[in-house]
Amino acid sequence: NAGVTQTPKFRILKIGQSMTLQCTQDMNHNYMYWYRQDPGMGLKLIYYSVGAGITDKGEVPNGYNVSRSTTEDFPLRLELAAPSQTSVYFCASSVMGSGSYNEQFFGPGTRLTVL
Amino acid sequence: QQQVKQSPQSLIVQKGGISIINCAYENTAFDYFPWYQQFPGKGPALLIAIRPDVSEKKEGRFTISFNKSAKQFSLHIMDSQPGDSATYFCAAGGDGGATNKLIFGTGTLLAVQP
Repeated sequence: NAGVTQTPKFRILKIGQSMTLQCTQDMNHNYMYWYRQDPGMGLKLIYYSVGAGITDKGEVPNGYNVSRSTTEDFPLRLELAAPSQTSVYFCASSVMGSGSYNEQFFGPGTRLTVL
Repeated sequence: QQQVKQSPQSLIVQKGGISIINCAYENTAFDYFPWYQQFPGKGPALLIAIRPDVSEKKEGRFTISFNKSAKQFSLHIMDSQPGDSATYFCAAGGDGGATNKLIFGTGTLLAVQP
C-alpha cells in the first residue's frame, strides 16, 4: 500500500491563480482531512469528509473548496490564491470510528507559495 | 474552549536525558489525547495516545502522563536519542470518534544533542 499520496510536492502560484491539490489514499479509509501547517501555529483543519459525497468545514475553510466523489480521492481547490494561503498542506485519512478514535495517517505534504 | 496549548515551543536535550513536553486544554468534552511526531519534510505520524480513564500510558521510551483534574497531559521521552529530534504535536479529540476530528497544539521542536 502507498498509503496517503499528495501531488504536487511543491508549487508556486501568483496571486489570483487557481489550483487543485490532489490527495489519494489506498487504505479504503472512510474519513479524510485537509490541514494546513504554518510555523508556530500547528495543524489547522480546513475541511474533512466522513465518506464519499459528504464534506464539512473545519476551523479554517475560507478560500478553499473540496469534493469527495470517491472513497480514494479528496482534492482541495484554491480558487483565488492569496499570500495568506502560503503554507504546507497535509492530507490525512483514517478508518471510520465505531465508538472510538482511530489513527490519522498523513501524506507527505504539499508546500505552496503564493506570490 | 477548543484550543490545546502546548509548551515549550522548542527544547534542547542532551543524549540520554529526559524530554518533557506539556499540553493543556479547556474543553472537558475532549476524551482522546494523541501525540504525533513529525520529521522534517514528512507528514506527522501517531506516536502514542491516551484516553482519560487512565493516568499514564507507556510505550517503550515514550510515556504520556494525564491529569484530568488539571486538564493537562504531557509527553515524556526517556533516554532521549538524536533520532528523536523532530517536531511533536499534542492533540485532542472530543466527538467520540464520530468524525475522528482532532485539535492540534502548536508543536514543539525537539533537538537531542549527541
